[in-house]
Amino acid sequence: QSVLTQPPSVSGAPGQRVTISCIGSSSNIGSGYDVHWYQQLPGTAPKLLIYGHNNRPSGVPDRFSGSKSGTSVSLAISGLQAEDEADYYCQSYDSVLSGWMFGGGTKVTVL
Amino acid sequence: QLQLVQSGPEVKKPGTSVKVSCKASGSTFSTSAVQWVRQARGQHFEWIGSIVVASGKTNYSQMFQERVTITRDMSTSTAYMELSSLRSADTAVYYCAAAAPHGTWGGFDPWGQGALVTVSS
Repeated sequence: QSVLTQPPSVSGAPGQRVTISCIGSSSNIGSGYDVHWYQQLPGTAPKLLIYGHNNRPSGVPDRFSGSKSGTSVSLAISGLQAEDEADYYCQSYDSVLSGWMFGGGTKVTVL
Repeated sequence: QLQLVQSGPEVKKPGTSVKVSCKASGSTFSTSAVQWVRQARGQHFEWIGSIVVASGKTNYSQMFQERVTITRDMSTSTAYMELSSLRSADTAVYYCAAAAPHGTWGGFDPWGQGALVTVSS
């Protein structure tokens, strides 16, 4: 069971905006540890999508954005495209477990 | 630009050990940490541990600390993760990834391509 809770799936039509939540606790997100998001296409390694809540590595479209509120964070994908169909994972450090933790992942389906 | 290339798939018997390698190309290997993460089929990611390349300092997940050893060879820009006392539940894809040597900023980037380890009698 993940320390970080994500919805198993979200879906949207092309062009729509979808959001993925990641709910943590006072020992991880609530302690101010950085939260990162990864995109994993089928059969491939994860790719860093957002780091430090809302920073995009070079090459990541600005359709992807992150936000934080208390002990939860969200990833938003605007102008949804077919190529965005993938699994998305949040990540944060946890002070109780003394290690990195990942959310259970959210499958994004483009209708 | 740093790139990480991992060793190939392995099939191991229960009770044995596996050693996965992660070879870096690029100039920033020595100033980074190498993280190890695994993903069983259909499951979420589990963080195994890390090594700061410059100092060799390791940090292991409580879940794996009795069975894992992470090392690095700076002469070949390669990091290694050895897991012992293998059981069927250890069947997974094992990834290495680069990260900042200290703190939690920046995320894991890039990742290796992954190495499938299958534990079966």
